[in-house]
Amino acid sequence: GENVEQHPSTLSVQEGDSAVIKCTYSDSASNYFPWYKQELGKRPQLIIDIRSNVGEKKDQRIAVTLNKTAKHFSLHITETQPEDSAVYFCAASHRGGGADGLTFGKGTHLIIQP
Amino acid sequence: DVKVTQSSRYLVKRTGEKVFLECVQDMDHENMFWYRQDPGLGLRLIYFSYDVKMKEKGDIPEGYSVSREKKERFSLILESASTNQTSMYLCASSANTEAFFGQGTRLTVV
Repeated sequence: GENVEQHPSTLSVQEGDSAVIKCTYSDSASNYFPWYKQELGKRPQLIIDIRSNVGEKKDQRIAVTLNKTAKHFSLHITETQPEDSAVYFCAASHRGGGADGLTFGKGTHLIIQP
Repeated sequence: DVKVTQSSRYLVKRTGEKVFLECVQDMDHENMFWYRQDPGLGLRLIYFSYDVKMKEKGDIPEGYSVSREKKERFSLILESASTNQTSMYLCASSANTEAFFGQGTRLTVV
């Protein structure tokens, strides 16, 4: 089955700086890579996703890059703000995020220092 | 707005009890999932279902079973609860991309 590794487990950055979280996956058949944000005491929510036919996707301060050859993908958050503090999970799926479920990384606790 | 609702926010059960966790979604999604979330381990897939009465094992199915008699409802069953099943349980549903999560059930087995 799929195995997703996520690093770092904890990331502390100064407000206004950039944050980068990296994930690798094992199954070359995986074709859908979402990122979820979970604020303390709340449910995980999708913030951005990318499919394997695209190398990069951007949404305001958030971007995701995918390197299929190396089987890794990354989340980039620019101009970080206090509300970015949360746990972020990467995930991979080889059926477009639907029927087979997602394999998640172990999460990164992002701390934004004022 | 998609709504995925889990029947309980907190549960305390005794070792050996049979436990039912219920999940209902209101968006007519075909796919439903049960995950457990533990510190340092992320979200791990227990079981999933892509249609009524269909179920598939995820990565950690041991000690669990599921039931999907109606499209909108997916139940997780702990046949004989054990202390190592103390965890946060998250239900999710999806059409083909984004998974929508319930608010979670924190189960404590004593």
